[in-house]
Amino acid sequence: KQEVTQIPAALSVPEGENLVLNCSFTDSAIYNLQWFRQDPGKGLTSLLLIQSSQREQTSGRLNASLDKSSGRSTLYIAASQPGDSATYLCAVGDYKLSFGAGTTVTVRA
Amino acid sequence: GAGVSQSPSNKVTEKGKDVELRCDPISGHTALYWYRQSLGQGLEFLIYFQGNSAPDKSGLPSDRFSAERTGGSVSTLTIQRTQQEDSAVYLCASSLGSSSGAGDTQYFGPGTRLTVL
Repeated sequence: KQEVTQIPAALSVPEGENLVLNCSFTDSAIYNLQWFRQDPGKGLTSLLLIQSSQREQTSGRLNASLDKSSGRSTLYIAASQPGDSATYLCAVGDYKLSFGAGTTVTVRA
Repeated sequence: GAGVSQSPSNKVTEKGKDVELRCDPISGHTALYWYRQSLGQGLEFLIYFQGNSAPDKSGLPSDRFSAERTGGSVSTLTIQRTQQEDSAVYLCASSLGSSSGAGDTQYFGPGTRLTVL
């Protein structure tokens, strides 16, 4: 069974600082890895999808890397803003996603 | 365009009653998923529909849970004889769908918060 771990569980940074969120998974035979954002009381918003054959994906201030051999992915958010405050979830799988518990980020103005 | 919608947004029921949760996927999406998010278990996969193929029900926690998808669009998740441990947020997602099963970006609805008293 795929186990997904996200460290740290919570993170608080001042505005403008770069964010580094970590995700690790136990089974390297994955199809893809997705990063989501969840705001309180709301559903999930997809941020980035990295296919198993890729090593990274970028979208604006977001960059996600994937190292299948070590079972790790890292989400970088550059120049954080208060609007980036949310819970970030990592998920791996094909159509059946296994989720980590998330990292709750607070960006202080 | 319109995203995934779910109804009701909140549902409070008494233990032992049946409940139905509805999901309207994004138009044109052939794949539909149900997940459950609870404090103790995090986000768990429940069931997956892809086109006219038999659904993958491997995540359903018990035979009290069932789901159907009519006309390849709207889906209903039914929980019979609800128990207090069924209290959670039930999330629906849809995607364009992949015949290879490799997975693609899933778009989530806002969820239905179920409380069983």
